[in-house]
Amino acid sequence: RKEVEQDPGPFNVPEGATVAFNCTYSNSASQSFFWYRQDCRKEPKLLMSVYSSGNEDGRFTAQLNRASQYISLLIRDSKLSDSATYLCVAHSGAGSYQLTFGKGTKLSVIP
Amino acid sequence: DGGITQSPKYLFRKEGQNVTLSCEQNLNHDAMYWYRQDPGQGLRLIYYSQIVNDFQKGDIAEGYSVSREKKESFPLTVTSAQKNPTAFYLCASSIRQSNYEQYFGPGTRLTVT
Repeated sequence: RKEVEQDPGPFNVPEGATVAFNCTYSNSASQSFFWYRQDCRKEPKLLMSVYSSGNEDGRFTAQLNRASQYISLLIRDSKLSDSATYLCVAHSGAGSYQLTFGKGTKLSVIP
Repeated sequence: DGGITQSPKYLFRKEGQNVTLSCEQNLNHDAMYWYRQDPGQGLRLIYYSQIVNDFQKGDIAEGYSVSREKKESFPLTVTSAQKNPTAFYLCASSIRQSNYEQYFGPGTRLTVT
């Protein structure tokens, strides 16, 4: 069974802190990876896509290690508004449109 | 504004009744998907459709049915055969020949008693 594993947390960090989440995936055929953000009782929203070794967007950096089959998400200078659950997602491989979702890591940024 | 709409936001039904959840998109996306999310669980794929008049079962299709008569619409019927229908249902869409990014509607929270 193809799976994506994440530490459920919660990660409680003070404003301004740097926090990192790791995620491992079991399907070595996965080529594309994503981080989604999900607020409580809302839909997931795409935060970042990762197709090569990594991606950076402002305070957010994602890194991919294919040899070890893990993806990380780094959030710098945490804001209160970053509080959410972060979902790690792997594409199922060539010829498929399916994504495999992790259960999410909960982040609470505290003042 | 382009986007995905799901209605209703909250739905209550009695056990034994079929119920249909609506999903419409005006993003001109080819592929559409239905997921369910239970508390503390990851999203699980129910059905997906890559093109009009074609759809495939996902990981948990039993007790559900879909249709894809129009590119914009992908309704999901939760039948009385679904053992645990109470859940948060999410519809998503993606451009078919792309980087597989999926975009979600706001979801329908179904409660069956």
